Amino acid sequence: AQSVTQLDSQVPVFEEAPVELRCNYSSSVSVYLFWYVQYPNQGLQLLLKYLSGSTLVKGINGFEAEFNKSQTSFHLRKPSVHISDTAEYFCAVSVRVLTGGGNKLTFGTGTQLKVEL
Amino acid sequence: GAVVSQHPSRVICKSGTSVKIECRSLDFQATTMFWYRQFPKKSLMLMATSNEGSKATYEQGVEKDKFLINHASLTLSTLTVTSAHPEDSSFYICSAYRGTDTQYFGPGTRLTVL
Repeated sequence: AQSVTQLDSQVPVFEEAPVELRCNYSSSVSVYLFWYVQYPNQGLQLLLKYLSGSTLVKGINGFEAEFNKSQTSFHLRKPSVHISDTAEYFCAVSVRVLTGGGNKLTFGTGTQLKVEL
Repeated sequence: GAVVSQHPSRVICKSGTSVKIECRSLDFQATTMFWYRQFPKKSLMLMATSNEGSKATYEQGVEKDKFLINHASLTLSTLTVTSAHPEDSSFYICSAYRGTDTQYFGPGTRLTVL
């Protein structure tokens, strides 16, 4: 089974400062990696994903993440945050299920990013 | 991008009644949909996998007789909470696969059972 660890439950940061949200995973097989963002009382929106290829992945809203296989990490970064980035961020991994279509996602516990003026 | 809708967005019901939540993929066909439950300030808990034309697969600890899932078409899955009780109050989110590697999520349904 796979698992995801997001060590930081809350990350406060000032506007226009850089931010890194940490994500580590464990799995005995190859995984797909995802970052989702959730605004209050809303569903999850896909920020970016790593399936294969280049380990540096760029997503929406200026976010990027780097897959590091040796460190089993997939940290999310943004060089300059905005007030509107305040939200909950979830890291997730998946492996392909054996039957049917689609992959089950395993989520981390989330990191609340709070951007302050 | 892929769009997934849920209806209703918010529902309040009395204890003992049943509530149906719809999940639709609006611009793509989804053979697989998932249903999640999210508690306040918590992560998403997978409840079940819904496959079009077959029975849903429930995660351990989820009562299949209480949470009825029907995936009647390639664009619609429904979750019915039967004989709802206050402890069933939660935020329910569905997702659908477009292709085989990425889930797209609905906006969620807030269920409050009085």
